[in-house]
Amino acid sequence: GAVVSQHPSWVICKSGTSVKIECRSLDFQATTMFWYRQFPKQSLMLMATSNEGSKATYEQGVEKDKFLINHASLTLSTLTVTSAHPEDSSFYICSADRSGKANEQFFGPGTRLTVL
Amino acid sequence: GDSVTQMEGPVTLSEEAFLTINCTYTATGYPSLFWYVQYPGEGLQLLLKATKADDKGSNKGFEATYRKETTSFHLEKGSVQVSDSAVYFCAHASKAAGNKLTFGGGTRVLVKP
Repeated sequence: GAVVSQHPSWVICKSGTSVKIECRSLDFQATTMFWYRQFPKQSLMLMATSNEGSKATYEQGVEKDKFLINHASLTLSTLTVTSAHPEDSSFYICSADRSGKANEQFFGPGTRLTVL
Repeated sequence: GDSVTQMEGPVTLSEEAFLTINCTYTATGYPSLFWYVQYPGEGLQLLLKATKADDKGSNKGFEATYRKETTSFHLEKGSVQVSDSAVYFCAHASKAAGNKLTFGGGTRVLVKP
């Protein structure tokens, strides 16, 4: 159990377009989901915390108008990168919190975004 | 602020060698500590955890002990296999930080036959 999926697994887009990434908890409900960004050979940086039915909480330095997060149900959160630019190219990872404890966060396989 | 520091890689070992990856942390209060592993092309998986001082987490032959006095959580395995080649991340989470995970920089481990 406790599987988290992401779609798509990779995407290539042109500069200026918007890209939506989905994160789903397949066999449990997640009140809270987290979005991370991972640069090559670096660690995960938390971008935002997404709570079902409310606005996301963004970490310092993350543009909320650039990275739109919607957590419409207990099993789905979406991250939309608006007006993407090459510097937005990265590996985006989500995690879902099953029980409110940090050790019950389960991670998706990630989405690689390449902006040309 | 809260942070996690772990040794930089890559670490290259021969099969059956002993592996140690050092991890130290700074945190408000008493955090829970974690090791995550990321195999090539896959997402992060929880490897082991410890929630209080002197706890030892263990899984798949890996061990780490929560050392409050040295604020450390070093990962060890006595005999590595080629299949242990991966990137290992140390992390912590504390209630004071809203249970958000703070990750170290990751350590790439390459085990050669």
